Amino acid sequence: AQSVTQLDSQVPVFEEAPVELRCNYSSSVSVYLFWYVQYPNQGLQLLLKYLSGSTLVKGINGFEAEFNKSQTSFHLRKPSVHISDTAEYFCAVEAGTYKYIFGTGTRLKVLA
Amino acid sequence: GAVVSQHPSWVICKSGTSVKIECRSLDFQATTMFWYRQFPKQSLMLMATSNEGSKATYEQGVEKDKFLINHASLTLSTLTVTSAHPEDSSFYICSAARLADSSYEQYFGPGTRLTVT
Repeated sequence: AQSVTQLDSQVPVFEEAPVELRCNYSSSVSVYLFWYVQYPNQGLQLLLKYLSGSTLVKGINGFEAEFNKSQTSFHLRKPSVHISDTAEYFCAVEAGTYKYIFGTGTRLKVLA
Repeated sequence: GAVVSQHPSWVICKSGTSVKIECRSLDFQATTMFWYRQFPKQSLMLMATSNEGSKATYEQGVEKDKFLINHASLTLSTLTVTSAHPEDSSFYICSAARLADSSYEQYFGPGTRLTVT
């Protein structure tokens, strides 16, 4: 069975500092990996996805993530965050069934 | 492209009544849609997979007689919460699957907040 673990429930960071949000997955088959952002009382917006190919994936809003098969990780990074990046971030895995398994989410709070 | 809408965005209903939530893919056809439930400050839990023209597939623990799903067309799926109770209060999010980059990708609606009094 597939699963996703987001190790940090909350990450406070000062504005213009770098940030990394961690995501680990478990799966016995090839996976597709996603990062979504959710602002309060809104749906999910896709930040980036890994399907195959280059392990470094660039997404919207300056975010990027690196797929590491040996460590079964897909950590999300941004070199310099803004106040507007304050939101909930979800990592998700899809393993051949079209169904997504979501992590528990990480609340990123950017401090002025 | 790939816009998904939900209606209503929020609804308050009395205990014992039924509530219908619509999920529409506005600019693409979706043979498969998904319904999720999200409790405050928690992750999304998949409730069911909705397939156009066939019965929905429910996840373990989800009561199919309480959460009725109808996928009547390639652009519309509805979730009806029957005989709603306060514990059904939650944020319901739908998604529609579309083939993109050789895989199916889900596009999410903005969500519907249901409050049962």
